Amino acid sequence: AQSVTQLDSHVSVSEGTPVLLRCNYSSSYSPSLFWYVQHPNKGLQLLLKYTSAATLVKGINGFEAEFKKSETSFHLTKPSAHMSDAAEYFCVVESVTDKLIFGTGTRLQVFP
Amino acid sequence: KAGVTQTPRYLIKTRGQQVTLSCSPISGHRSVSWYQQTPGQGLQFLFEYFSETQRNKGNFPGRFSGRQFSNSRSEMNVSTLELGDSALYLCASSSGQGGQETQYFGPGTRLLVL
Repeated sequence: AQSVTQLDSHVSVSEGTPVLLRCNYSSSYSPSLFWYVQHPNKGLQLLLKYTSAATLVKGINGFEAEFKKSETSFHLTKPSAHMSDAAEYFCVVESVTDKLIFGTGTRLQVFP
Repeated sequence: KAGVTQTPRYLIKTRGQQVTLSCSPISGHRSVSWYQQTPGQGLQFLFEYFSETQRNKGNFPGRFSGRQFSNSRSEMNVSTLELGDSALYLCASSSGQGGQETQYFGPGTRLLVL
């Protein structure tokens, strides 16, 4: 069965510093992986997705993630945090039946 | 293209009542999936409809049901509401062709059961 583990429930950074949100996955086959972001009282917005075409995936708003099969990781990074990045981030794996399996989320706080 | 829309955005019900939530997918999308988000359980898959048929189902009791219409709009119904059903209910749409597709989410319906 597929699953994802988000290693940090909360991450705090200062504006202008790098962001690292960690995600490990478990899958018996080459998975489709996603990062979604949820701002307060808003729905989920797709940041980026990995579908085996390239291991380094670039998303919206300057985010990117690298698929590392050897480490079963799909960490989300951004070189310089902005105040507007404060939100909840979900690492997601797609099951064999195409349903999405969500991690528990990482709340990102950005301090001025 | 308009995004996924959900109505109503907020709802307050009492225990024992039933509720119907609506989701209109992106034009051309034929698959609609429903998810429940709670602080305790996180985001959990409820079910998916494709071409008016339930194609996929999560681990929720029979009180949770849904349907899809010929225009791909979907409704979700919860009967005999319990306090624990208070949650944000999200729907997502995709073309439904399967395999490495992106699901686009609506803003959600926030249900409060008193």
